[in-house]
Amino acid sequence: GAVVSQHPSRVICKSGTSVKIECRSLDFQATTMFWYRQFPKKSLMLMATSNEGSKATYEQGVEKDKFLINHASLTLSTLTVTSAHPEDSSFYICSASTGVKPEAFFGQGTRLTVV
Amino acid sequence: GNSVTQMEGPVTLSEEAFLTINCTYTATGYPSLFWYVQYPGEGLQLLLKATKADDKGSNKGFEATYRKETTSFHLEKGSVQVSDSAVYFCALLPSARQLTFGSGTQLTVLP
Repeated sequence: GAVVSQHPSRVICKSGTSVKIECRSLDFQATTMFWYRQFPKKSLMLMATSNEGSKATYEQGVEKDKFLINHASLTLSTLTVTSAHPEDSSFYICSASTGVKPEAFFGQGTRLTVV
Repeated sequence: GNSVTQMEGPVTLSEEAFLTINCTYTATGYPSLFWYVQYPGEGLQLLLKATKADDKGSNKGFEATYRKETTSFHLEKGSVQVSDSAVYFCALLPSARQLTFGSGTQLTVLP
């Protein structure tokens, strides 16, 4: 099956610094990648949708200047949390879609802790 | 708009008990339906899917049938194991290609 690799799985950073999370599709080309945020014991909240080579589409209430998304190739999308604050601590999950089959494949998630 | 309503948890069962987690949806058109499972500290794994009405998805003893007349996709397993303890998410994927998730149901299976 299709594999999506997300890195790092865990990261701790200081308040005010920036953190980059990578999402790679290992064995297929992902025309569309999605970034989600999951709060403890809650469902996934879609943050943004990115299509290769174009600007990401952010959901209402998500600060695009704070959560920078880049989808530079068909196999890689990155989420950069800029000037991180403790309230940004969360579990971030990416998923990738080929745009052909009705299915999305998920990364393992990244646990971000801002201290 | 699209939405998924999922059975509230948490659900606690004894090993070998029968499991049902209810899921109903609202969508325009003919979405694909999915069940994902999330083990502690991990991302989501696809458990099963169905892409059209009356399709039955199955995997690892879990089953769900796409019922268009009742707009439902209930998850069932005849005999749960301790290793099935996880959070289960029902989701739909309309033609817009953006997944809509239910709220998740925490399942705990006791030995």
